[in-house]
Amino acid sequence: GAVVSQHPSWVICKSGTSVKIECRSLDFQATTMFWYRQFPKQSLMLMATSNEGSKATYEQGVEKDKFLINHASLTLSTLTVTSAHPEDSSFYICSASIRQTTYEQYFGPGTRLTVT
Amino acid sequence: SQKIEQNSEALNIQEGKTATLTCNYTNYSPAYLQWYRQDPGRGPVFLLLIRENEKEKRKERLKVTFDTTLKQSLFHITASQPADSATYLCALSNDYKLSFGAGTTVTVRA
Repeated sequence: GAVVSQHPSWVICKSGTSVKIECRSLDFQATTMFWYRQFPKQSLMLMATSNEGSKATYEQGVEKDKFLINHASLTLSTLTVTSAHPEDSSFYICSASIRQTTYEQYFGPGTRLTVT
Repeated sequence: SQKIEQNSEALNIQEGKTATLTCNYTNYSPAYLQWYRQDPGRGPVFLLLIRENEKEKRKERLKVTFDTTLKQSLFHITASQPADSATYLCALSNDYKLSFGAGTTVTVRA
Protein backbone atom coordinates (compact mmCIF):
# COMPACT_ATOMS: atom_id res chain seq x y z
CA GLY A 1 0.00 0.00 0.00
CA ALA A 2 0.82 3.75 0.01
CA VAL A 3 2.01 3.98 -3.57
CA VAL A 4 2.74 7.34 -5.18
CA SER A 5 3.29 7.72 -8.90
CA GLN A 6 4.79 10.57 -10.89
CA HIS A 7 4.53 11.38 -14.54
CA PRO A 8 6.60 11.85 -16.56
CA SER A 9 9.68 10.10 -15.19
CA TRP A 10 11.89 12.32 -17.30
CA VAL A 11 11.35 15.30 -19.57
CA ILE A 12 13.51 17.50 -21.76
CA CYS A 13 12.19 20.94 -22.64
CA LYS A 14 13.48 24.06 -24.28
CA SER A 15 14.32 27.19 -22.36
CA GLY A 16 11.28 29.46 -21.99
CA THR A 17 8.68 26.71 -22.20
CA SER A 18 6.55 25.30 -19.38
CA VAL A 19 6.38 21.72 -18.18
CA LYS A 20 3.83 20.02 -15.93
CA ILE A 21 4.60 17.15 -13.58
CA GLU A 22 1.82 15.03 -12.09
CA CYS A 23 1.86 13.30 -8.72
CA ARG A 24 -0.80 10.75 -7.81
CA SER A 25 -1.48 8.72 -4.69
CA LEU A 26 -2.72 5.42 -6.11
CA ASP A 27 -4.19 3.57 -3.15
CA PHE A 28 -4.84 6.18 -0.49
CA GLN A 29 -6.15 9.70 -0.08
CA ALA A 30 -3.40 12.20 0.62
CA THR A 31 -4.41 15.11 2.79
CA THR A 32 -1.07 16.75 2.19
CA MET A 33 1.37 16.51 -0.69
CA PHE A 34 4.89 17.86 -0.88
CA TRP A 35 7.22 18.86 -3.69
CA TYR A 36 10.98 18.53 -3.34
CA ARG A 37 13.92 19.31 -5.56
CA GLN A 38 17.20 17.41 -5.41
CA PHE A 39 20.44 18.39 -7.09
CA PRO A 40 23.17 15.76 -7.64
CA LYS A 41 24.86 14.59 -4.44
CA GLN A 42 22.66 16.91 -2.39
CA SER A 43 19.79 16.48 -0.01
CA LEU A 44 16.13 16.86 -0.78
CA MET A 45 15.00 20.46 -0.45
CA LEU A 46 11.34 21.08 0.26
CA MET A 47 9.83 23.49 -2.25
CA ALA A 48 6.21 23.63 -1.17
CA THR A 49 3.43 21.94 0.75
CA SER A 50 -0.04 21.61 -0.69
CA ASN A 51 -3.34 20.65 0.85
CA GLU A 52 -6.27 19.58 -1.24
CA GLY A 53 -8.46 22.51 -2.22
CA SER A 54 -6.25 25.25 -0.83
CA LYS A 55 -3.27 27.28 -1.97
CA ALA A 56 0.17 25.80 -1.64
CA THR A 57 2.61 27.03 0.99
CA TYR A 58 6.00 27.76 -0.52
CA GLU A 59 9.33 27.58 1.27
CA GLN A 60 11.46 30.68 1.51
CA GLY A 61 13.30 31.40 -1.71
CA VAL A 62 10.94 29.40 -3.93
CA GLU A 63 9.15 31.54 -6.51
CA LYS A 64 5.47 30.74 -6.39
CA ASP A 65 4.83 32.32 -9.79
CA LYS A 66 7.47 30.13 -11.37
CA PHE A 67 6.55 26.86 -9.69
CA LEU A 68 2.76 26.58 -9.87
CA ILE A 69 1.23 23.92 -7.68
CA ASN A 70 -2.33 22.68 -7.93
CA HIS A 71 -3.84 20.11 -5.57
CA ALA A 72 -7.23 19.59 -7.12
CA SER A 73 -8.15 16.32 -5.42
CA LEU A 74 -7.08 14.06 -2.60
CA THR A 75 -5.13 11.91 -5.06
CA LEU A 76 -3.60 14.39 -7.51
CA SER A 77 -1.17 17.28 -7.25
CA THR A 78 0.60 18.96 -10.16
CA LEU A 79 3.73 21.08 -10.36
CA THR A 80 4.15 23.34 -13.37
CA VAL A 81 7.56 24.85 -14.01
CA THR A 82 6.85 27.99 -16.01
CA SER A 83 9.32 29.69 -18.34
CA ALA A 84 11.90 27.06 -17.56
CA HIS A 85 15.60 27.89 -17.65
CA PRO A 86 18.65 25.59 -17.60
CA GLU A 87 19.15 26.27 -13.88
CA ASP A 88 15.75 24.67 -13.25
CA SER A 89 17.17 21.36 -14.44
CA SER A 90 16.92 19.04 -11.46
CA PHE A 91 15.27 15.95 -9.99
CA TYR A 92 11.76 16.80 -8.77
CA ILE A 93 10.14 14.45 -6.28
CA CYS A 94 6.68 14.55 -4.79
CA SER A 95 5.49 12.86 -1.63
CA ALA A 96 2.27 12.39 0.26
CA SER A 97 1.34 11.88 3.85
CA ILE A 98 -1.68 10.50 5.65
CA ARG A 99 -1.82 12.88 8.56
CA GLN A 100 -4.31 10.84 10.48
CA THR A 101 -1.73 8.16 11.10
CA THR A 102 1.89 9.20 11.47
CA TYR A 103 4.22 11.62 9.79
CA GLU A 104 6.08 9.31 7.44
CA GLN A 105 5.91 10.32 3.81
CA TYR A 106 5.48 8.18 0.73
CA PHE A 107 7.55 9.38 -2.18
CA GLY A 108 7.03 9.17 -5.89
CA PRO A 109 9.80 7.85 -8.15
CA GLY A 110 10.82 11.37 -9.18
CA THR A 111 10.95 13.32 -12.44
CA ARG A 112 14.22 14.26 -14.09
CA LEU A 113 13.84 17.66 -15.77
CA THR A 114 16.43 18.85 -18.26
CA VAL A 115 16.06 22.32 -19.74
CA THR A 116 18.12 22.97 -22.86
CA SER B 1 19.66 27.77 11.84
CA GLN B 2 19.13 24.05 12.17
CA LYS B 3 21.78 21.73 10.83
CA ILE B 4 21.61 18.01 10.07
CA GLU B 5 24.83 16.11 9.46
CA GLN B 6 25.26 12.53 8.34
CA ASN B 7 28.45 10.51 7.88
CA SER B 8 30.30 12.65 5.41
CA GLU B 9 31.99 9.75 3.69
CA ALA B 10 30.60 6.78 1.92
CA LEU B 11 30.54 3.54 3.87
CA ASN B 12 31.99 0.38 2.31
CA ILE B 13 31.46 -2.84 4.22
CA GLN B 14 31.74 -6.57 3.75
CA GLU B 15 28.61 -8.62 3.35
CA GLY B 16 27.41 -9.98 6.68
CA LYS B 17 28.86 -7.14 8.72
CA THR B 18 26.89 -4.41 10.50
CA ALA B 19 26.72 -0.96 8.95
CA THR B 20 26.32 1.91 11.41
CA LEU B 21 25.27 5.32 10.15
CA THR B 22 25.18 8.53 12.16
CA CYS B 23 22.81 11.48 12.04
CA ASN B 24 23.68 14.49 14.19
CA TYR B 25 21.67 17.66 14.46
CA THR B 26 22.00 21.10 16.03
CA ASN B 27 19.65 23.99 16.75
CA TYR B 28 16.66 21.67 16.56
CA SER B 29 14.50 19.66 18.93
CA PRO B 30 12.62 17.23 16.69
CA ALA B 31 9.71 15.22 17.95
CA TYR B 32 10.23 12.63 15.21
CA LEU B 33 13.23 11.24 13.41
CA GLN B 34 12.86 9.13 10.29
CA TRP B 35 15.19 7.10 8.10
CA TYR B 36 14.70 6.63 4.38
CA ARG B 37 16.49 4.65 1.70
CA GLN B 38 17.13 6.18 -1.71
CA ASP B 39 18.39 4.30 -4.75
CA PRO B 40 20.03 6.20 -7.66
CA GLY B 41 17.47 8.08 -9.74
CA ARG B 42 14.59 7.08 -7.48
CA GLY B 43 12.50 8.67 -4.74
CA PRO B 44 13.19 7.84 -1.09
CA VAL B 45 11.50 4.89 0.57
CA PHE B 46 10.38 5.13 4.20
CA LEU B 47 12.14 2.71 6.56
CA LEU B 48 11.62 3.65 10.19
CA LEU B 49 10.21 6.41 12.38
CA ILE B 50 11.24 6.95 15.98
CA ARG B 51 9.69 9.41 18.41
CA GLU B 52 11.60 11.60 20.86
CA ASN B 53 10.39 9.55 23.83
CA GLU B 54 11.60 6.30 22.27
CA LYS B 55 15.18 5.17 22.70
CA GLU B 56 15.30 2.39 20.16
CA LYS B 57 13.26 0.87 17.39
CA ARG B 58 13.78 -2.27 15.31
CA LYS B 59 12.44 -3.59 12.06
CA GLU B 60 13.83 -6.84 10.72
CA ARG B 61 17.59 -6.24 10.26
CA LEU B 62 17.32 -2.52 10.94
CA LYS B 63 17.76 -0.77 14.27
CA VAL B 64 17.48 2.93 15.06
CA THR B 65 18.42 4.73 18.25
CA PHE B 66 17.50 8.29 19.17
CA ASP B 67 19.43 10.20 21.84
CA THR B 68 17.89 13.63 22.36
CA THR B 69 20.63 14.59 24.84
CA LEU B 70 23.43 13.92 22.38
CA LYS B 71 21.19 15.13 19.50
CA GLN B 72 22.08 12.03 17.58
CA SER B 73 20.51 9.04 15.90
CA LEU B 74 22.31 5.85 14.95
CA PHE B 75 21.03 3.60 12.18
CA HIS B 76 22.26 0.01 12.06
CA ILE B 77 21.92 -2.54 9.28
CA THR B 78 22.83 -5.95 10.65
CA ALA B 79 23.87 -8.94 8.53
CA SER B 80 24.26 -6.58 5.59
CA GLN B 81 23.65 -7.79 2.04
CA PRO B 82 24.67 -6.36 -1.34
CA ALA B 83 20.99 -5.46 -1.86
CA ASP B 84 21.33 -3.02 1.05
CA SER B 85 23.63 -0.85 -1.07
CA ALA B 86 21.93 2.55 -1.34
CA THR B 87 21.96 6.05 0.10
CA TYR B 88 20.33 6.38 3.50
CA LEU B 89 18.75 9.67 4.56
CA CYS B 90 17.75 10.83 7.99
CA ALA B 91 14.90 13.31 8.30
CA LEU B 92 13.75 15.32 11.29
CA SER B 93 10.40 16.89 11.99
CA ASN B 94 8.03 18.24 14.56
CA ASP B 95 5.05 17.80 12.30
CA TYR B 96 4.52 16.86 8.69
CA LYS B 97 7.41 18.98 7.33
CA LEU B 98 10.64 17.00 7.00
CA SER B 99 14.18 18.36 7.03
CA PHE B 100 16.61 15.94 5.38
CA GLY B 101 20.28 15.28 5.86
CA ALA B 102 22.48 14.88 2.80
CA GLY B 103 22.60 11.11 3.16
CA THR B 104 25.25 8.42 3.54
CA THR B 105 25.98 6.07 0.66
CA VAL B 106 26.48 2.48 1.74
CA THR B 107 28.11 -0.10 -0.48
CA VAL B 108 28.02 -3.72 0.65
CA ARG B 109 30.51 -5.91 -1.17
CA ALA B 110 30.01 -9.63 -1.54
